[in-house]
Amino acid sequence: EPEVTQTPSHQVTQMGQEVILRCVPISNHLYFYWYRQILGQKVEFLVSFYNNEISEKSEIFDDQFSVERPDGSNFTLKIRSTKLEDSAMYFCASSDLTSGELETQYFGPGTRLLVL
Amino acid sequence: EDKVVQSPLSLVVHEGDTVTLNCSYEVTNFRSLLWYKQEKKAPTFLFMLTSSGIEKKSGRLSSILDKKELSSILNITATQTGDSAIYLCAGFNFGNEKLTFGTGTRLTIIP
Repeated sequence: EPEVTQTPSHQVTQMGQEVILRCVPISNHLYFYWYRQILGQKVEFLVSFYNNEISEKSEIFDDQFSVERPDGSNFTLKIRSTKLEDSAMYFCASSDLTSGELETQYFGPGTRLLVL
Repeated sequence: EDKVVQSPLSLVVHEGDTVTLNCSYEVTNFRSLLWYKQEKKAPTFLFMLTSSGIEKKSGRLSSILDKKELSSILNITATQTGDSAIYLCAGFNFGNEKLTFGTGTRLTIIP
């Protein structure tokens, strides 16, 4: 069964460093998302991406964040200058626009980011 | 701001019991309600509910949406230890294409 994959599974970084989290969405999906989940808290929407541009973003997704689809398969989330409060599990998700079920989003296993 | 509330926050039952998990939502431009199961990491899709009163079923799991009450329930019958997980409910706003999640119900099944 096709699945969303993410790398790395864990990342530890120093405050102020840049990190890039990588995702490979399900191959025929056209809508991509990033969510984060701070330990013990809700899954929170960060950004959606369609047709090579941001479709929606939350107030969390400030200038420190950016997303990119550098090639036909990868979808990345960059945090330019990490802060302690960026420590969280980051989930990538994708959905199949053509099925008419845009909201059925399939999640990857996540990257646990720890900022020291 | 869209809001999803789940109850109870946690539930401990014995194997074989039946459980009902609750979800209520206040979502602008609401289109559908989704249930996910989160074990160790990624939320795994269970159900998407769009129409009120129509039950969706998958094995021992079933779910129904009540648009009048802005709520949904997830039922699990004959629970097994493998059902232990956090169950997440999320409402989809088709205006901003965003899923808003609840905090989840942590279900623990005791053998």
